[in-house]
Amino acid sequence: DTAVSQTPKYLVTQMGNDKSIKCEQNLGHDTMYWYKQDSKKFLKIMFSYNNKELIINETVPNRFSPKSPDKAHLNLHINSLELGDSAVYFCASSARTSGGTGELFFGEGSRLTVL
Amino acid sequence: QKEVEQDPGPLSVPEGAIVSLNCTYSNSAFQYFMWYRQYSRKGPELLMYTYSSGNKEDGRFTAQVDKSSKYISLFIRDSQPSDSATYLCAMSGNSGGSNYKLTFGKGTLLTVNP
Repeated sequence: DTAVSQTPKYLVTQMGNDKSIKCEQNLGHDTMYWYKQDSKKFLKIMFSYNNKELIINETVPNRFSPKSPDKAHLNLHINSLELGDSAVYFCASSARTSGGTGELFFGEGSRLTVL
Repeated sequence: QKEVEQDPGPLSVPEGAIVSLNCTYSNSAFQYFMWYRQYSRKGPELLMYTYSSGNKEDGRFTAQVDKSSKYISLFIRDSQPSDSATYLCAMSGNSGGSNYKLTFGKGTLLTVNP
């Protein structure tokens, strides 16, 4: 039973299109994240939600819009895709602790290729 | 200066070698330090988690944190081919606001040759 699951695993699309990635966690965590990993394996945080509230919004183009309908789900919609958006997008979740983020559990990633 | 610096390698060692992986950081607010392992085409998985300065050992793995030098290390003893992966250091401050996020190094690609 997968703890953090993302769909789709692979997306290949044309520049200018709009696409969405969905994430679900069954760990009972209250915090979820989107990270972007570029071709050099650098993992950079994009967004974080705690109990459906946006708590971190890094410098990300506003073509990227996250949405958390409930604690267990976090989606990412990307408008007007550009070549530079090609990357692997990871969803993660954690249980908020009294200090630090706690362990992050990652999904398998969604590999986006923009042609 | 980036918040977290990690030599991306690649690092190639023979089976049985001792491997040393390191990160430096600049943010004094970091209190929690982790090492993640990422196999090819998979998500990162937590390997070691330490708080503040000191050492932590788990089997063949030892994590060290030196907050005075802003330097963390991961040692792998008796390395195995199955240890071949990308190793990412990660760190965070205390909960609250912009510190409530895990900041990663760029990762070091390790290959252990049989």
